[in-house]
Amino acid sequence: EAGVTQSPTHLIKTRGQQATLRCSPISGHTSVYWYQQALGLGLQFLLWYDEGEERNRGNFPPRFSGRQFPNYSSELNVNALELEDSALYLCASRKGGEEQFFGPGTRLTVL
Amino acid sequence: AQKVTQAQTEISVVEKEDVTLDCVYETRDTTYYLFWYKQPPSGELVFLIRRNSFDEQNEISGRYSWNFQKSTSSFNFTITASQVVDSAVYFCALGGYGGATNKLIFGTGTLLAVQP
Repeated sequence: EAGVTQSPTHLIKTRGQQATLRCSPISGHTSVYWYQQALGLGLQFLLWYDEGEERNRGNFPPRFSGRQFPNYSSELNVNALELEDSALYLCASRKGGEEQFFGPGTRLTVL
Repeated sequence: AQKVTQAQTEISVVEKEDVTLDCVYETRDTTYYLFWYKQPPSGELVFLIRRNSFDEQNEISGRYSWNFQKSTSSFNFTITASQVVDSAVYFCALGGYGGATNKLIFGTGTLLAVQP
C-alpha cells in the first residue's frame, strides 16, 4: 500500500511570491492534515481537511490556505511569502479514529 | 491549554546502551491519545505508537517499550540495546478525540545520537 506522497520535494521561492504544495493521502484515508516544521519553532498544526471541508485551523495567518479535492488529495497555498515561511511542510492522512501517517514533506525555501 | 514537554534536547549514547526519552504532557481533557513518532534525517515522521488515555498498560515492541503514567502525566519511551539506526529525532505528541482537538500537539523533540 502506497504511503502519503507530497510534491514537490523542494521548492524555492522569493519573498512575495505564492507557493503551492500538494499531498496525496493513503488510499481510503479521508482526512488530511498539514503541519509546519520551522527551525526553532518545532512542529505546528496548520490545517485539517476532512471530506472536502476545512475542519480546524492552527494559529496561522490567512495567507495560509488550502483545499481538499473529491479524491481526498489536498493542496496547501501560501500567499505573499515571507522569509519566515521557510520550513518543512508535512502532510499527514488519517482514516477514522486511527493515527496520522505522514508524508516525506516539502521543503520550502523563501529567498 | 494542551502542551507536551520533552526536556531532553539531545542525548548521545554508545551502541548497545539503553536509553529513555522523557515526555510530559498537559491537558484538561479526560480522554486523549498519546503518540511517539521518529524523524530520521530524511525528514519523514514515522509512527511508532499510539496510547489511549484510559489504557495505562505498558507496551513492549521488540527493543522499544513505553511507560504511560497518568499520575505523573508522563509517557516515556525506552530503547533497549540501542543501535546506530536508532539515531533520529523522536517526537512525543498529544491528540484529541475529535472536533477542535483533532490535531497533534508535538513536543520539541529529542535528538538521539547513537555512536558505534
